[in-house]
Amino acid sequence: DVKVTQSSRYLVKRTGEKVFLECVQDMDHENMFWYRQDPGLGLRLIYFSYDVKMKEKGDIPEGYSVSREKKERFSLILESASTNQTSMYLCASSLPGTGGLEKETQYFGPGTRLLVL
Amino acid sequence: QKEVEQNSGPLSVPEGAIASLNCTYSDRGSQSFFWYRQYSGKSPELIMFIYSNGDKEDGRFTAQLNKASQYVSLLIRDSQPSDSATYLCAHLGGSNYKLTFGKGTLLTVNP
Repeated sequence: DVKVTQSSRYLVKRTGEKVFLECVQDMDHENMFWYRQDPGLGLRLIYFSYDVKMKEKGDIPEGYSVSREKKERFSLILESASTNQTSMYLCASSLPGTGGLEKETQYFGPGTRLLVL
Repeated sequence: QKEVEQNSGPLSVPEGAIASLNCTYSDRGSQSFFWYRQYSGKSPELIMFIYSNGDKEDGRFTAQLNKASQYVSLLIRDSQPSDSATYLCAHLGGSNYKLTFGKGTLLTVNP
């Protein structure tokens, strides 16, 4: 079974703080993703990564950065947290490849609900 | 913008009925489609994927894809209260493995 874990289920931070959200997957997946999910807006892609030390901007990268130093770990960084970054953050991973959509399936972690005061 | 539109609901059906969830997409290059289920407070989990025109069945779930009309649907037969959740439609297009998600349809199955 694929397992994607996130460092915290709930997090409360203050405006201006630097925030680190950690995601670890145990299935040797190459692709990893960070989304945020807000009521009425659905899932929006922040950043993704195809491989170690590689990163690509998603649809809403502003105010975020990422780090992928090891294949199994993908970190999302809020350089200076703001109240509009209060959200549910979801990490996902997938194993890319040809010949089957099973490999494109994204598996999600449990999510981190972040509140910025 | 390559969008995925879902009827926002909420959709309410009685137990035992067929629930029909629909999704349209704008990107004709989209090749593959995924249906995820998300319980309140939980993360999305995959139900089915489909990439060929027609129907694909898995237990009580049937996904239907019509590329000419650019829609994909999910039918849930013999709906159960445990099926009550938000259902997310997503498509995979282009060459960079990105999924584009719809905003989801909230389904409630009443006992």
